[in-house]
Amino acid sequence: GESVGLHLPTLSVQEGDNSIINCAYSNSASDYFIWYKQESGKGPQFIIDIRSNMDKRQGQRVTVLLNKTVKHLSLQIAATQPGDSAVYFCAENRGSGGSNYKLTFGKGTLLTVNP
Amino acid sequence: EAGVAQSPRYKIIEKRQSVAFWCNPISGHATLYWYQQILGQGPKLLIQFQNNGVVDDSQLPKDRFSAERLKGVDSTLKIQPAKLEDSAVYLCASSLDRGELAIFGSGTRLTVV
Repeated sequence: GESVGLHLPTLSVQEGDNSIINCAYSNSASDYFIWYKQESGKGPQFIIDIRSNMDKRQGQRVTVLLNKTVKHLSLQIAATQPGDSAVYFCAENRGSGGSNYKLTFGKGTLLTVNP
Repeated sequence: EAGVAQSPRYKIIEKRQSVAFWCNPISGHATLYWYQQILGQGPKLLIQFQNNGVVDDSQLPKDRFSAERLKGVDSTLKIQPAKLEDSAVYLCASSLDRGELAIFGSGTRLTVV
């Protein structure tokens, strides 16, 4: 079947440490991936994305790595802060020449940052 | 810029009752999505509109769920009759066009008892 999933359901880190959240996907046709952050009582918020023709993309304090060989992507958060505490979802999109946008979400990882 | 507005924020109903959720997307956004998010899971797409037309409703349980976007702006999602397993957060999202990044609303939390 086709699925997007996460290795670790929960992750607890100390403030200031780096965090790594992992995600496995099974659909080799997926060409676009997004990481979302969801705080309690809110909708998912875009963090960073990456296309399948890339293997790394950096944003402000976040980096996404894509390994197409093993169908794995990760989200790295540098100098994790208490405000980073949330559930993180990876989502894949099987684009149809860019004209469609249908996201399949994984189950999520709960990140807890301890002060 | 105002975000995606959803109401109500919370709703509790008994099974077999009906319920409706409302969504007002970001102004100018042609594409509107409804997602269902069961506790502990990621959101699952129910239906996607492009203006007032349905693009994808393959995962919408059409025997009890319906949605419309008559004027191509705001949208309503209805469940009739509700079942216990419909308890979830219903998220609305919108994007400027298909293929563009979707912005999510805060959702409506439905509890069916």
